[in-house]
Amino acid sequence: ETGVTQSPTHLIKTRGQQVTLRCSSQSGHNTVSWYQQALGQGPQFIFQYYREEENGRGNFPPRFSGLQFPNYSSELNVNALELDDSALYLCASSSIAQASEQYFGPGTRLTVT
Amino acid sequence: EDKVVQSPLSLVVHEGDTVTLNCSYEVTNFRSLLWYKQEKKAPTFLFMLTSSGIEKKSGRLSSILDKKELFSILNITATQTGDSAIYLCAVVSDAGNMLTFGGGTRLMVKP
Repeated sequence: ETGVTQSPTHLIKTRGQQVTLRCSSQSGHNTVSWYQQALGQGPQFIFQYYREEENGRGNFPPRFSGLQFPNYSSELNVNALELDDSALYLCASSSIAQASEQYFGPGTRLTVT
Repeated sequence: EDKVVQSPLSLVVHEGDTVTLNCSYEVTNFRSLLWYKQEKKAPTFLFMLTSSGIEKKSGRLSSILDKKELFSILNITATQTGDSAIYLCAVVSDAGNMLTFGGGTRLMVKP
């Protein structure tokens, strides 16, 4: 069984730029959720994708957007990066039947300078 | 708005000690509570609890949920240095499938 994978591992961007983060879900899972974890805090829910559509969204502005592909992999896009976007971005996958039980990938550490 | 509070914020113990981590929550239409262990990056799933009073156990770790008093505890017995990590508690409501996390408890186990 393949676990959740994310790329890249680390990323450094400049304020105002755009970034795309990628996630491959665990085999057998069809739902992907994205979380932002600032240093010293618990993860915060950004949004969830199921059947290639957004299936719930947290309190994040529209410059945070996403996609899910037919193979259930997903992308998180952030436009007009701000310094406060510096964080660990975590992707979690689950089956829609057991959507609460989410399994996390290793994350992408984004630094905005 | 759903809310999860974990205590203590941090804890330092010695190998062999027993620790109890606390998680209290306020959530509309509670569905489940989850515990994760985060060592470096990826939170690792430990337990999911949905029913009150039923203990879940995995090796030296155990957890129980009290839906009346709105809290859960995570116990670790005979701690080892490998238990050093941040322990995260999260809840899920019927309103959606998002996890609402607490701030975590940082556990350090000294040899």
